[in-house]
Amino acid sequence: DTAVSQTPKYLVTQMGNDKSIKCEQNLGHDTMYWYKQDSKKFLKIMFSYNNKELIINETVPNRFSPKSPDKAHLNLHINSLELGDSAVYFCASSQDFQRFSGNTIYFGEGSWLTVV
Amino acid sequence: AQRVTQPEKLLSVFKGAPVELKCNYSYSGSPELFWYVQYSRQRLQLLLRHISRESIKGFTADLNKGETSFHLKKPFAQEEDSAMYYCALRAQFSGGYNKLIFGAGTRLAVHP
Repeated sequence: DTAVSQTPKYLVTQMGNDKSIKCEQNLGHDTMYWYKQDSKKFLKIMFSYNNKELIINETVPNRFSPKSPDKAHLNLHINSLELGDSAVYFCASSQDFQRFSGNTIYFGEGSWLTVV
Repeated sequence: AQRVTQPEKLLSVFKGAPVELKCNYSYSGSPELFWYVQYSRQRLQLLLRHISRESIKGFTADLNKGETSFHLKKPFAQEEDSAMYYCALRAQFSGGYNKLIFGAGTRLAVHP
């Protein structure tokens, strides 16, 4: 009955590889997000999708490409991984992006990515 | 500019001591503020919303618009309160979409 689930939870990979992190929510929410938590624990939004449509795209390298096959899924694909990509990536969802006030945002458990 | 500032990276207290985690914000509109907690290697969980004016796990937070602050307080800290605490601001942008802007987080360590 997990609300927002991400896979894999842990991922260790070499520089230059391409990897994907998957996210699914069963809350019936319209909006999904990817957040990055760096080694200093700073948490920052990367992308937001509403009903499969990109609505927020922060200054993120083109090597990061989100894909939303349907509104319950938002996957993150990363090309040519670099050491600096090592971080915890959190997926999240909220009911919608306009009537956000009063709603809460639900986070997944995070995916620990280590690039060696 | 929209910004959330948590000045302390680490707050270390003894069990039973009062706790105050500071949060200041900068936002031109009507702010909506939250506190999130992240226990070791777990997901972020909503702790408090300012509009609810509730007390969760003994924590309270009051929005002070004059001082643009939303400090988190607890009169008597418990060891299980040890975690990372994030203050967050809901900011609205053109096009009607919203996003959460997080502070850098404060690690609370409660010692026995």
